[in-house]
Amino acid sequence: SQQGEEDPQALSIQEGENATMNCSYKTSINNLQWYRQNSGRGLVHLILIRSNEREKHSGRLRVTLDTSKKSSSLLITASRAADTASYFCATGSMNRDDKIIFGKGTRLHILP
Amino acid sequence: GAVVSQHPSWVICKSGTSVKIECRSLDFQATTMFWYRQFPKQSLMLMATSNEGSKATYEQGVEKDKFLINHASLTLSTLTVTSAHPEDSSFYICSAEDRNAYEQYFGPGTRLTVT
Repeated sequence: SQQGEEDPQALSIQEGENATMNCSYKTSINNLQWYRQNSGRGLVHLILIRSNEREKHSGRLRVTLDTSKKSSSLLITASRAADTASYFCATGSMNRDDKIIFGKGTRLHILP
Repeated sequence: GAVVSQHPSWVICKSGTSVKIECRSLDFQATTMFWYRQFPKQSLMLMATSNEGSKATYEQGVEKDKFLINHASLTLSTLTVTSAHPEDSSFYICSAEDRNAYEQYFGPGTRLTVT
């Protein structure tokens, strides 16, 4: 069953602008992860944020987590053409099975 | 929806032995499959990209002679962990791309425990 759902499904912005993608989930989590996938390539891990963290930064990336709303956001500042990709959130279970569940992703297109 | 299966779902093997994990796309053709490894409570880490009929592309730091990948058909890719060691114990997940649908689908994963 679907756990993470990204919003929007697709996003086009001008180069230099900030891009914000949201992720909502349904059950309790241990952590939440964001990945990027370029066309024809595998998923690349971006950031993992744990359930007891509220915000995390990595370069131009900023991730927030609101466990009360069961939502997370990924902000990419000063977007570049190379940021064009699909972005996925995935949730890590509280259970011992360690399985993570992916959403369908947001397709981000940076316009020159 | 499209289904990707993995076999076995879990395996326990002794140190020094080799283990083969299969990834199958059940109702679509997948020219590209990806193999990931996940340690407990961690993110997926891409190991390699498997293309049907050609050699796999390995990510930096992944030993190609240790993790043999074969993508012999449009519906099957295999990952063989050779001379397994306890540190290879992990959760291995594959995903397959359905080019016609521009979607990718994940397998349920294989838990490998090396004793």
